[in-house]
Amino acid sequence: GQQLNQSPQSMFIQEGEDVSMNCTSSSIFNTWLWYKQDPGEGPVLLIALYKAGELTSNGRLTAQFGITRKDSFLNISASIPSDVGIYFCAGRPTNAGNNRKLIWGLGTSLAVNP
Amino acid sequence: DAGVIQSPRHEVTEMGQEVTLRCKPISGHNSLFWYRQTMMRGLELLIYFNNNVPIDDSGMPEDRFSAKMPNASFSTLKIQPSEPRDSAVYFCASMQGGLVNSPLHFGNGTRLTVT
Repeated sequence: GQQLNQSPQSMFIQEGEDVSMNCTSSSIFNTWLWYKQDPGEGPVLLIALYKAGELTSNGRLTAQFGITRKDSFLNISASIPSDVGIYFCAGRPTNAGNNRKLIWGLGTSLAVNP
Repeated sequence: DAGVIQSPRHEVTEMGQEVTLRCKPISGHNSLFWYRQTMMRGLELLIYFNNNVPIDDSGMPEDRFSAKMPNASFSTLKIQPSEPRDSAVYFCASMQGGLVNSPLHFGNGTRLTVT
């Protein structure tokens, strides 16, 4: 099935560093979502974006809905050890109509060295 | 509030056996989704229900997989007969009705191992 291009696939950083990851699609989306998954748990919603150009923050996390509506990025500032996990982007294509199916990226695995 | 509840958390079974995974969505959520997660393919949507009715089952791998939602508070995903390639983490998620753009809320998954 269709997937989003999420990059990077993995990151290994030092505590305190900033992190940036992004997702791109070949089609226009009307929703972008960013989730984090800890080991042994389900993905948890971090930020939801619904409008092109929208910039939303959640603590040290900031995400933006790209102007072209085909991309989104997530930034984490001043990383801490508990930021470790897998981050997923997900989106809903504009041409999906009332279909509630999300398209998912393959995830960015983040490791933080204390 | 209780989140999405899945059971069992872990299931180990032998090839050929029937496996039933269970899910209780968040109260008031009227859309329910079953996902499968593997390292190679990531999160794959198997099927989703809206108001207990299956809407999109295009992700169900084959006839060995079936899903039911007999009421608003319970759903099952059944694999019969199971095969080793079915080994994965299966997630259930629910979403509040009314807004097609509402976010998904996931359970903690069932890790299935078929030997």
